[in-house]
This record gives sequence, C-alpha cells and structure tokens, in this order.
Amino acid sequence: GESVGLHLPTLSVQEGDNSIINCAYSNSASDYFIWYKQESGKGPQFIIDIRSNMDKRQGQRVTVLLNKTVKHLSLQIAATQPGDSAVYFCAESPGANNLFFGTGTRLTVIP
Amino acid sequence: DGGITQSPKYLFRKEGQNVTLSCEQNLNHDAMYWYRQDPGQGLRLIYYSQIVNDFQKGDIAEGYSVSREKKESFPLTVTSAQKNPTAFYLCASSILGNYGYTFGSGTRLTVV
Repeated sequence: GESVGLHLPTLSVQEGDNSIINCAYSNSASDYFIWYKQESGKGPQFIIDIRSNMDKRQGQRVTVLLNKTVKHLSLQIAATQPGDSAVYFCAESPGANNLFFGTGTRLTVIP
Repeated sequence: DGGITQSPKYLFRKEGQNVTLSCEQNLNHDAMYWYRQDPGQGLRLIYYSQIVNDFQKGDIAEGYSVSREKKESFPLTVTSAQKNPTAFYLCASSILGNYGYTFGSGTRLTVV
C-alpha cells in the first residue's frame, strides 16, 4: 500500500497562534491531496484539497502547501481556535478513486 | 440536504452474531467505501464499490461482506468470522475520478 505519514502524532498550540501540521507522502505519482478534520466520535470532514499543478491553496483560515520536490504537504491554520482541536488527516491519491490516508495528527488548542 | 447517513450510531454484538451496518447517500455518488478505524490509528479500507452490483475487496476484507443493489445504499455485514470487530466504522462516497470522499458520521461497533 501507499505510505502517507505525519511527522508528529500530536501538536499543542496556544489559542490565537498559527498551527502547522505536516505530512510526507511517498508516491511521486500522486496528483491530488486532501486534508480532513476528524472530531471525536465523528466522521472526517473535508477541509481543503490541492492538485499537483499547484504549490499553494488558501481557504478560510487554512492554507495547504505542496512541495513535490520533497513530497511534503502541510496544513496551516491561522489564529487557531478551541474548535480546531481535532485529529487532522492528510490523504493522497494517484488517481482512479484511490485515496490513501495517514494515521493523523492530534491538534490540541490550549486556551 | 444532500449527505451520507450511517446507522445505527452505536451497535452492540454478541459473540458469534452477524450484524449489518447501514450506509445511505443521496449525493448521487457512484463510488462508496467502508473503512475501519481503531483507536489512535488511521483508516483501513474494507470494501469499495464503483458501480451497482459490483464491489472490490480492500486491505482488510476478511470477516466482512457487502452488497450494492442500489446506487444509494452500501450495507456492510460484520460476520462472526471477524475475530476482532470492535471498532469505529466509516462509510464514504465520491464521484468517479480523482476527487475527495464525503464521510458519514460513523458507527461504533462493540462486541459484548
């Protein structure tokens, strides 16, 4: 299977600070990447996606950066809020409806 | 509102019983998926289907069965052959092509 991993399993940040969650992927053929947020006891929710023809994509308070040279993906959350506390998963796809998920990073926001 | 619905939210199974988890979507998505999630771990693919009356095994299909008689529905049966069924089960759907999945809210299955 694919190898999609995260550098840190847990991350704690102060409320109001920016958060950066990192993800490494191994398949250079992957051309579509997604970040999901999963709150306790719930299903993952789509946050933002990016295709391989882009280096950066911005959403509301979130930015995804893609570095294809080193096969690295990051999610930046601006002005982190308590409601951002959750597990964040990256997923990569080489196509054909195949998404491969990492194990996730637990983000804890300290009030 | 369009979405994907899993039921029940909590399910308890006795040893030796088969149980069926429901997944229904009204998003008109062609593809549907079942994942298993254990505490502190990622998602592992059990089965997926890209078209009615057709489905494929994922990485951990042993002890599970599915059917896809309707586009909207993709029920998962956890059979007595699954030796460690206690887990959080997630259903997802997507359009065909290289796109993200929409997930349901999950079913937590516990063996008692």
